[in-house]
Amino acid sequence: EAGVVQSPRYKIIEKKQPVAFWCNPISGHNTLYWYRQNLGQGPELLIRYENEEAVDDSQLPKDRFSAERLKGVDSTLKIQPAELGDSAVYLCASSLAFFGSPVPYPEQFFGPGTRLTVL
Amino acid sequence: KQEVTQIPAALSVPEGENLVLNCSFTDSAIYNLQWFRQDPGKGLTSLLLIQSSQREQTSGRLNASLDKSSGRSTLYIAASQPGDSATYLCAVPQGGSEKLVFGKGTKLTVNP
Repeated sequence: EAGVVQSPRYKIIEKKQPVAFWCNPISGHNTLYWYRQNLGQGPELLIRYENEEAVDDSQLPKDRFSAERLKGVDSTLKIQPAELGDSAVYLCASSLAFFGSPVPYPEQFFGPGTRLTVL
Repeated sequence: KQEVTQIPAALSVPEGENLVLNCSFTDSAIYNLQWFRQDPGKGLTSLLLIQSSQREQTSGRLNASLDKSSGRSTLYIAASQPGDSATYLCAVPQGGSEKLVFGKGTKLTVNP
C-alpha cells in the first residue's frame, strides 16, 4: 500500500515569491493534515481537513497561506508571498476517521515532507 | 494547553545497549500517545500508538509504556543497532481535537 505522497521534496525560492506544495494521502483516508516543522522542533498543525472541509485552520497564517482539498483527496498548500521565516519542512499526514468511531483520535501517517528554503 | 517534553534532547550509546527515551505531557486527559521516528531530511514514521486504556505496546525490539496519571511515557529500545540512529518524537492529541502536540524529540546515535 502506497504511503502519503508529497511533492516537491525540496524547494528553494526567493522571498516574496509564491510556492505550492502537493499532497496525496493514503487511499481511503478521509482526514488530511498539514504540519510545519521548524528546525529542532516538533511539527505544528497548520490545517486539518475532513473530506473537503477544513475543520481546524486556527494555526494557518491566513494573510499569506491558503490550502484546498478539492474532491476530498489531494490537497495543495500555498504560500504567497513567502517570507524568510517560512523556511521549514512542510509535512502532510492522513488518517481514517469517521463520526462515531470507537477510535476518535486515529493513528496519523506522515509523508516525507517538503523542505522549503526561502532566500 | 497541552505541552509535551522529551528528555534527553540527545543520547549517544554503543551498539547493543538497551535504552529508554522519555516523554512527559502536562494534561493527563489524553486518549492515546504516538511515538514516531524521523531520519535526517525525512518525514515521520509511526512506530507505536498506545491507547490510554493500555499500559504497554510492543513492536519488535520496541516497547512503549504509558502512565496517564503521572503524565509520562517511555520508549524502550532493546539491543540497539546503528540503524536505530534517528530522532524519536512523541505526540498526543490536543484535548478535544485531532491536532497532535509534539515534543521536540530525542536525537539518538548508536555507535558501532
